[in-house]
Amino acid sequence: EAGVTQFPSHSVIEKGQTVTLRCDPISGHDNLYWYRRVMGKEIKFLLHFVKESKQDESGMPNNRFLAERTGGTYSTLKVQPAELEDSGVYFCASSQNAEQFFGPGTRLTVL
Amino acid sequence: GIQVEQSPPDLILQEGANSTLRCNFSDSVNNLQWFHQNPWGQLINLFYIPSGTKQNGRLSATTVATERYSLLYISSSQTTDSGVYFCAVTSNDYKLSFGAGTTVTVRA
Repeated sequence: EAGVTQFPSHSVIEKGQTVTLRCDPISGHDNLYWYRRVMGKEIKFLLHFVKESKQDESGMPNNRFLAERTGGTYSTLKVQPAELEDSGVYFCASSQNAEQFFGPGTRLTVL
Repeated sequence: GIQVEQSPPDLILQEGANSTLRCNFSDSVNNLQWFHQNPWGQLINLFYIPSGTKQNGRLSATTVATERYSLLYISSSQTTDSGVYFCAVTSNDYKLSFGAGTTVTVRA
């Protein structure tokens, strides 16, 4: 069984540019989550999808971040425009029940 | 929100040694997971353990939910055990709250 996959593994962009991160959950998992770890901080929750619906987006830092989950399958997280403080590692996770399984993360560097 | 504290922050072990990592949390939980972050940054699931005791090879974990703590035991440590160990919990929802992690270094 394939695990959670994320693309790209690493992205380097300049301040003001747009970046889109992609997550493919484990097949059959209705729940999909985004988390991030910025430099020196703990891993923090961003949002939670149940199928294609946003269940909880209380962790989204501001309106420069937009998450979508087309048809309840893969999800994208777009940052527009990117700021320096957005640098960090963005993790995606999925679950069918309570136990969450994480992808390898996307390391985002904003210069 | 729920607070998660892990101790110690850093741990240096000689290969073959045993160790105990601790996770304290500030409220009742309905999910508790232990992860190992490998050198490539991947979060590997070790245990899903909201209560009770589980064992997997040289690793075991115990969660005492009524006293709000969990312990992760590493026995006969190997260099491949090096990395950061995270405890994460949820309380009444699906949002995992992570501790700051324990960085384990196992020396040959």
